[in-house]
Amino acid sequence: DVKVTQSSRYLVKRTGEKVFLECVQDMDHENMFWYRQDPGLGLRLIYFSYDVKMKEKGDIPEGYSVSREKKERFSLILESASTNQTSMYLCASSPGGTGNTIYFGEGSWLTVV
Amino acid sequence: EDQVTQSPEALRLQEGESSSLNCSYTVSGLRGLFWYRQDPGKGPEFLFTLYSAGEEKEKERLKATLTKKESFLHITAPKPEDSATYLCAVQPFGQAGTALIFGKGTTLSVSS
Repeated sequence: DVKVTQSSRYLVKRTGEKVFLECVQDMDHENMFWYRQDPGLGLRLIYFSYDVKMKEKGDIPEGYSVSREKKERFSLILESASTNQTSMYLCASSPGGTGNTIYFGEGSWLTVV
Repeated sequence: EDQVTQSPEALRLQEGESSSLNCSYTVSGLRGLFWYRQDPGKGPEFLFTLYSAGEEKEKERLKATLTKKESFLHITAPKPEDSATYLCAVQPFGQAGTALIFGKGTTLSVSS
């Protein structure tokens, strides 16, 4: 079975803190993604990566950055957390190519106070 | 603009009462349409992928169908454990990195 592991399930951070959300997949997938999910807004794409050290902006990249130094690991960074970044963050991965299934992790609940 | 609309937003059924969830989409070209199930506080769990109009896929009490403008998720004789939010997503042609565009979901509640 595909496994996408998000290191932190629940985090509480203060406004202005730098926050790291880590994600690891064990299926040698080329593509990795970060989404955020908010009530009434659904899942929105923040960033994705289709190869090591490669990244592309999604629909809502402002206030976020990402890092992919190894194929299996994709990190989401909030340089200076703000209260409007309180959300559920979902990491996902898929094999290279198109039309392939995207598999999600369990999610990280971030609260910024 | 590519977009996905799911209806209804919420659906309450009695155990055994069959129904359908709708996903209508507007894309420049469809590479694939995906259905996911999401339980509260958890990540989406993959159910089906459909690639072309007329295609159907089944899994237990669920059956997904696809036309050129919409997809249906039919639930036959649902049980309380089918209660969840069902998400529809499309992968358009030209979408780099194969990212998906999601609808807002239909929350299904099945009571015994």
